[in-house]
Formats: sequence, structure tokens, C-alpha cells
Amino acid sequence: GQNIDQPTEMTATEGAIVQINCTYQTSGFNGLFWYQQHAGEAPTFLSYNVLDGLEEKGRFSSFLSRSKGYSYLLLKELQMKDSASYLCAAYFMDSNYQLIWGAGTKLIIKP
Amino acid sequence: ETGVTQTPRHLVMGMTNKKSLKCEQHLGHNAMYWYKQSAKKPLELMFVYSLEERVENNSVPSRFSPECPNSSHLFLHLHTLQPEDSALYLCASSQEYGGHSTGELFFGEGSRLTVL
Repeated sequence: GQNIDQPTEMTATEGAIVQINCTYQTSGFNGLFWYQQHAGEAPTFLSYNVLDGLEEKGRFSSFLSRSKGYSYLLLKELQMKDSASYLCAAYFMDSNYQLIWGAGTKLIIKP
Repeated sequence: ETGVTQTPRHLVMGMTNKKSLKCEQHLGHNAMYWYKQSAKKPLELMFVYSLEERVENNSVPSRFSPECPNSSHLFLHLHTLQPEDSALYLCASSQEYGGHSTGELFFGEGSRLTVL
């Protein structure tokens, strides 16, 4: 089956930049999502990448390299409210278009 | 109202109890999902309903029984659960086109289940 790998936990400083990586197997890949989940809350959609390149949305950007099976979420000008788990998920044609999820990266922001 | 609402938010039950989780979506979507979220594990898809028909059942034990009476409501009936079933159960909805989801899932805040 397909696996999505991302770091378990990261720590960064308020005002800084952090990059959260996500890797996957390229066979049958069809698109990749990033979701944010604050503790005790619902996951919320951040971005969707299908084509190679960088997509920017304010302080958050998401990058995809289809050939390398690699994506990252870049968070700039970090704020305390960015402390959350960031979930990477991808569609694969051989998984009947079900989303395959990573275990999430818990991001801790320190003052 | 928020897009996807789940009740109850917290549930404690014994292994012999029968309870139900409820989900309601107000987004006009045609697909609804049940996910299980355990600490430090990927989200596990349990069931998918598309146009009120179950289209996925990922080898979930029969002690979990879904019900989708209409496109806005989804239930998860629970009976004779095990302690390892303790987890956060998330409901989600999406809009499907041509048999495939657009991918953007809208989640409820989850029902935190503890089985004693």
C-alpha cells in the first residue's frame, strides 16, 4: 500500500520560517493536500497541489515535485496561533481515489 | 451554523453499551465519511457514503455500523466496543463529481470516544 511520511514533531520560533516535508511513493499519484488541525478541533483545508511548483497563499505556501514524490508546506512569519498539527494527504489511482494520510506533524511555536 | 456538526463531542461507554454518533452537514455535499483518528497515527477511513449509498467499507469490524438516511445525515452505531476503539471519530463531507471526490474534505470537530 501507499505510505505518506512526514516528521512527527517540529519546533520553531515566533516570527521565523518553518518547512514541513512530506514524501510519498510516486506510482499512481494524483494530487496532494495539506490540512491544519488545532488541538481539539476539526482539520481544515490549507492547500491542494496537482502540478509541480509552488502555490502561495499569504503566509503559507505549498510545493510539489511529482517526479521526486515530495511536497513541503512553508509557513512564514510564524505566529503562536500556527501551533497545530499539519496533515499531508494524497490521492492515488490504485487506492480507488481514497485519500491516504500521513500521521501529521505537530508544530510547536515558541516565543 | 457550522458546516459539519457532530454530536456528542465526548462519549464514555462500557464494552456492553450501545450508543450512536451523529453527523450533520449543511453544505449541500453528496458524499459523507467516517474517519478514526488515533494519537500519532494517520487518519483511518472507515466508511464512505456517496449519494446515500455506501461505497467503501475498509474492513471495519461489525461492531461499527454506519447509517446514512439522507445526504445530510450520517450515523455511526456502536455496540460491544473494545478499549482499543477509544479514539476521535471524525465525520467529513465533500462534493463528488463523476464518482470521485473533489478532495477537499470538510470535517466536523469529532466525537471523542472512550471505551472502558
